[in-house]
Amino acid sequence: AQSVTQLDSQVPVFEEAPVELRCNYSSSVSVYLFWYVQYPNQGLQLLLKYLSGSTLVKGINGFEAEFNKSQTSFHLRKPSVHISDTAEYFCAVSGGGATNKLIFGTGTLLAVQP
Amino acid sequence: DGGITQSPKYLFRKEGQNVTLSCEQNLNHDAMYWYRQDPGQGLRLIYYSQIVNDFQKGDIAEGYSVSREKKESFPLTVTSAQKNPTAFYLCASSTTGGIEAFFGQGTRLTVV
Repeated sequence: AQSVTQLDSQVPVFEEAPVELRCNYSSSVSVYLFWYVQYPNQGLQLLLKYLSGSTLVKGINGFEAEFNKSQTSFHLRKPSVHISDTAEYFCAVSGGGATNKLIFGTGTLLAVQP
Repeated sequence: DGGITQSPKYLFRKEGQNVTLSCEQNLNHDAMYWYRQDPGQGLRLIYYSQIVNDFQKGDIAEGYSVSREKKESFPLTVTSAQKNPTAFYLCASSTTGGIEAFFGQGTRLTVV
């Protein structure tokens, strides 16, 4: 079975500061990893995904994430955040295959303060 | 533009009534999913369907039912058997075996 752990339920940060949102996963098979962003009362939008290849993945809005197989982690980073980055961020894992079931973490609220 | 449409955005129902949430997609995706979102619990899978006229239970299917009569449509019925139906419901779709799921804008159901 697969699972995802997002250790921080909320991360407060000042505008223009760097941020890292942590994600650890558990799986007995090869995985695909994703980060989604959700603005209030809206659906989820894909930020970035790791399928294979380079372990450093770049996404939209200046975000990037690094896949670390030995530490089973997929942390999300941004070097300088903006007020508009305030949102909930979800890490997700999929084993791929026919079912493509996405398993989500509990989410991290990124609160950017001026 | 292609996408997933959920309606309505907000829905209020009295306790004990069944209610159906709509999800339509024009992405020509084979697979569709329903998730429930509660504060602090992330997204939990209710039902999913990989092909017309076939669907499987997810992790929290009790009190819910679905149908998949058309490729484009995957409605979710919240029945009176669901003990705590107030939540934010998200529909998603992907190609079969596809890697990325696309989400609708969600329906917020409040049962009073």
